[in-house]
Amino acid sequence: KAGVTQTPRYLIKTRGQQVTLSCSPISGHRSVSWYQQTPGQGLQFLFEYFSETQRNKGNFPGRFSGRQFSNSRSEMNVSTLELGDSALYLCASSASTGIDEQYFGPGTRLTVT
Amino acid sequence: GDSVTQMEGPVTLSEEAFLTINCTYTATGYPSLFWYVQYPGEGLQLLLKATKADDKGSNKGFEATYRKETTSFHLEKGSVQVSDSAVYFCALSDILTGGGNKLTFGTGTQLKVEL
Repeated sequence: KAGVTQTPRYLIKTRGQQVTLSCSPISGHRSVSWYQQTPGQGLQFLFEYFSETQRNKGNFPGRFSGRQFSNSRSEMNVSTLELGDSALYLCASSASTGIDEQYFGPGTRLTVT
Repeated sequence: GDSVTQMEGPVTLSEEAFLTINCTYTATGYPSLFWYVQYPGEGLQLLLKATKADDKGSNKGFEATYRKETTSFHLEKGSVQVSDSAVYFCALSDILTGGGNKLTFGTGTQLKVEL
């Protein structure tokens, strides 16, 4: 079974631009979560989608948004990029039948200059 | 809110040494506990999990026991190898009010194993 895939793997953007990251979950998994990893803040939860609906959201500004499609693939968007948005963005999928282990993709490394 | 505290790194060990990475947690409910490992340039891999008190998770020689009385989930391995060098994250997951779950992570502990 294929794992979680994320595209692109690396991105360089300029402050003020917007960016869209993509995540394809493990086949059959309906829940997709996004996390931001930085050296200063560690791993922080952004949001979770299940059946095309945002089910949970972390403490991030409204510039961070996401969506999920009917095939469970998910995208996250960051508008008006700031230097502090430079991070590794990790996507995780789970079967989501309650508390369930999450399987992570390799991440997208975003650098904002 | 939920939180996870794990020991500061880096931890440097010689090959075949015994490993312990301490992890304690605070949670309002009855969380599941996990250890994830991250190798350089990669995402997180699930190492082991435990879903209730006194459960022992184990995988690839690593073990951790869910201790509710001490709110701990320490990671141990009897004999580490150079290939175990990575960053280890302790995490908990609790069912949220609206359903679903999210992982709350510790800060990570870097392990370096030398010959």
